[in-house]
Amino acid sequence: KAGVTQTPRYLIKTRGQQVTLSCSPISGHRSVSWYQQTPGQGLQFLFEYFSETQRNKGNFPGRFSGRQFSNSRSEMNVSTLELGDSALYLCASSWGDNSGNTIYFGEGSWLTVV
Amino acid sequence: AQSVTQLGSHVSVSEGALVLLRCNYSSSVPPYLFWYVQYPNQGLQLLLKYTSAATLVKGINGFEAEFKKSETSFHLTKPSAHMSDAAEYFCAVTERGSSNTGKLIFGQGTTLQVKP
Repeated sequence: KAGVTQTPRYLIKTRGQQVTLSCSPISGHRSVSWYQQTPGQGLQFLFEYFSETQRNKGNFPGRFSGRQFSNSRSEMNVSTLELGDSALYLCASSWGDNSGNTIYFGEGSWLTVV
Repeated sequence: AQSVTQLGSHVSVSEGALVLLRCNYSSSVPPYLFWYVQYPNQGLQLLLKYTSAATLVKGINGFEAEFKKSETSFHLTKPSAHMSDAAEYFCAVTERGSSNTGKLIFGQGTTLQVKP
């Protein structure tokens, strides 16, 4: 079956712009979570959505937001981009009913802010 | 707050040698534990996970890890390294409870170099 799909894979934005990243989870998965990966900070949890509701949130400013649709697809948005937002953004999905569920990751979206 | 520590940001081994990547967690209540591998320009692939069944967990590509509650550790091993094992490895945890699903806390990662 298809894995976690993220689009776009690569994008370049200018400081001050906003960006929207998309994630399609594995079929049947209701939990979608987002992570930011940078060389300096490593992998950091942004937020998790389950059945269209934000269930968990990491320590990121309000410029980072997300949503989940009824088909479990998710989007994350970053407004007023800063140079430090340049990172690999990873989406992950799981069944979401138990924290021991396997969490599957997509290939990521590479965001460069110039 | 829960935290994960991976000892050694870079580990170098010779092909055919034992691979040992170290991971310690901080919680007094054993969490669920995961090891992921990341190849260049790719996402994360699950190697194995511990969810409270057997303490010795076998994963893909010949990797295994042993959960030791007394040491709060979950070290990853492979008896014989292969060149294709060169990658970055991440240890991660989720705290128990359904509300914590999807919230992985990662270690800083260990880059494994395999020398011919």
